[in-house]
Amino acid sequence: QQQVKQSPQSLIVQKGGISIINCAYENTAFDYFPWYQQFPGKGPALLIAIRPDVSEKKEGRFTISFNKSAKQFSLHIMDSQPGDSATYFCAAMNRDDKIIFGKGTRLHILP
Amino acid sequence: KAGVTQTPRYLIKTRGQQVTLSCSPISGHRSVSWYQQTPGQGLQFLFEYFSETQRNKGNFPGRFSGRQFSNSRSEMNVSTLELGDSALYLCASSLGPGNGYTFGSGTRLTVV
Repeated sequence: QQQVKQSPQSLIVQKGGISIINCAYENTAFDYFPWYQQFPGKGPALLIAIRPDVSEKKEGRFTISFNKSAKQFSLHIMDSQPGDSATYFCAAMNRDDKIIFGKGTRLHILP
Repeated sequence: KAGVTQTPRYLIKTRGQQVTLSCSPISGHRSVSWYQQTPGQGLQFLFEYFSETQRNKGNFPGRFSGRQFSNSRSEMNVSTLELGDSALYLCASSLGPGNGYTFGSGTRLTVV
């Protein structure tokens, strides 16, 4: 019940295309869903986050779509650029517990 | 505003030795969490401290321990190192439970 399942494990997208990464959770007590971006040799950096009272949040080219009834959320990267090539982690947490990370998606944008 | 600082950045130890890693959180952040990152297992939660008290603990053996000081700085210790402990150890800080985390760049530990 504490797991966050992330897919795909790896993703290759053409420059200018849309990158989509999906996550699913089981614990309905989760109330904060962040996405992290990690470049080689660096720690994960918070990219965008959403709370379950909204179905979508957009920041620049990055959008989180949230489906509370299906217990799923996804990250969409519009107009993907080579600089977006990184590993992306979804996560879920609630106030009283630790943050749970997905296994990560290695994204490669072809120039 | 300084980010999360982890020292050292790289470390090579011999099997059986012990190691101490340090983490200085962002000023004002009172919660510090530690993670082990390996290629096969992703980010695995070690423990979380808030106001010098351990709030949560992951499924790691007792060889892994940590503590937090009154200035919110934290240390983690691994005793009797094993080859499988080779990993990137990440520290993250936040204002408190339920808030977003900011990660440091990690300490790359290699056990030989």
